[in-house]
Amino acid sequence: QQQVKQSPQSLIVQKGGISIINCAYENTAFDYFPWYQQFPGKGPALLIAIRPDVSEKKEGRFTISFNKSAKQFSLHIMDSQPGDSATYFCAATSGGGADGLTFGKGTHLIIQP
Amino acid sequence: DAGVIQSPRHEVTEMGQEVTLRCKPISGHNSLFWYRQTMMRGLELLIYFNNNVPIDDSGMPEDRFSAKMPNASFSTLKIQPSEPRDSAVYFCASSPGTDEEQFFGPGTRLTVL
Repeated sequence: QQQVKQSPQSLIVQKGGISIINCAYENTAFDYFPWYQQFPGKGPALLIAIRPDVSEKKEGRFTISFNKSAKQFSLHIMDSQPGDSATYFCAATSGGGADGLTFGKGTHLIIQP
Repeated sequence: DAGVIQSPRHEVTEMGQEVTLRCKPISGHNSLFWYRQTMMRGLELLIYFNNNVPIDDSGMPEDRFSAKMPNASFSTLKIQPSEPRDSAVYFCASSPGTDEEQFFGPGTRLTVL
């Protein structure tokens, strides 16, 4: 499996601020890029996803920015809230999303009140 | 829908013992995935099935690991013999096959002493 590199490993943001998490990939065959959110003791849950035919996707306070030429994508959380405190994983896969996911190492996000 | 069901939720065993983890996917989902999560390696794909057929088992760490899916509603991941380095949280996920989202179960926390 090709690697997906994620940064930062941990992030502290003040309530109301913007949280930004970055990922880079190597395999140009990847064609689906989801972000998963995981709370302690729970399984990961899909937050938002993007395909490489668009450069940005927004759902509520969550936005993915995608740069195909640089092979990078990022998650932006606007107006961050304490309830957003969790671990976030970027991932990538091929086959239109039918294949298994290759995950980044995760970012532990803490939103301070 | 009950979501993906995994059992047991926690398993403590001694080195050398056989361990069997179980998964019931969401009804109607055609794809099933097994992942392993550790602090050192993060989330890793072990194997996935499509319509009960193993598609990619390249992530299975060694011959001590085996997985089966005898029907559309049940899968097992077996480790024989188990070793302390197998200690991890094992997640099962399923997807409809026509959509990219993978739904994760709550995981089985395995501790091998």
